[in-house]
Amino acid sequence: ELKVEQNPLFLSMQEGKNYTIYCNYSTTSDRLYWYRQDPGKSLESLFVLLSNGAVKQEGRLMASLDTKARLSTLHITAAVHDLSATYFCAVAASGTYKYIFGTGTRLKVLA
Amino acid sequence: GAVVSQHPSRVICKSGTSVKIECRSLDFQATTMFWYRQFPKQSLMLMATSNEGSKATYEQGVEKDKFLINHASLTLSTLTVTSAHPEDSSFYICSASSGVSSYEQYFGPGTRLTVT
Repeated sequence: ELKVEQNPLFLSMQEGKNYTIYCNYSTTSDRLYWYRQDPGKSLESLFVLLSNGAVKQEGRLMASLDTKARLSTLHITAAVHDLSATYFCAVAASGTYKYIFGTGTRLKVLA
Repeated sequence: GAVVSQHPSRVICKSGTSVKIECRSLDFQATTMFWYRQFPKQSLMLMATSNEGSKATYEQGVEKDKFLINHASLTLSTLTVTSAHPEDSSFYICSASSGVSSYEQYFGPGTRLTVT
């Protein structure tokens, strides 16, 4: 059974600081997704990572995937208040359409 | 492209009544649609997977007689919560996949259900 863990669960950080959110998963997968969720809203797609070593960057966010270690990271550079949200990773087990979501990381960026 | 809508966005119903939520793919054909439930401050939990024209596949612990799913066309899936109770109050999110390229799911805006 595919299990997905994120850490930390909560993250409070000062503006301008850097931090990394980790997403570990338990079985083979070659598709990993990162989403942002604002309170009361649905999911906003951030990154789609489809191969080992994939790295994608958008603004202050950068995501990477290591399929051998079964690990993805979401790195935040020079955080700003607008990045405050909950971030989820989701992993699709090989050969299936189904996503298993991580526990989520609630990020609060303090001005 | 890849827009998914849900209707209604919010619904309040009385205990014991049924409520239907619609999920539509607006600009692509969705061979597979998914229904998720999200309780406050928790992650998304997959409830069921539906393929057009066939019965939905429910995840373990999800009552199929309580959560009726119909995927009658390539652009529409419905979730009916039957005999709703306060514990069914939740945020319901659907997603749709065209089944090609990266098998990516496109998420709807969600429906907030409150059962009184």
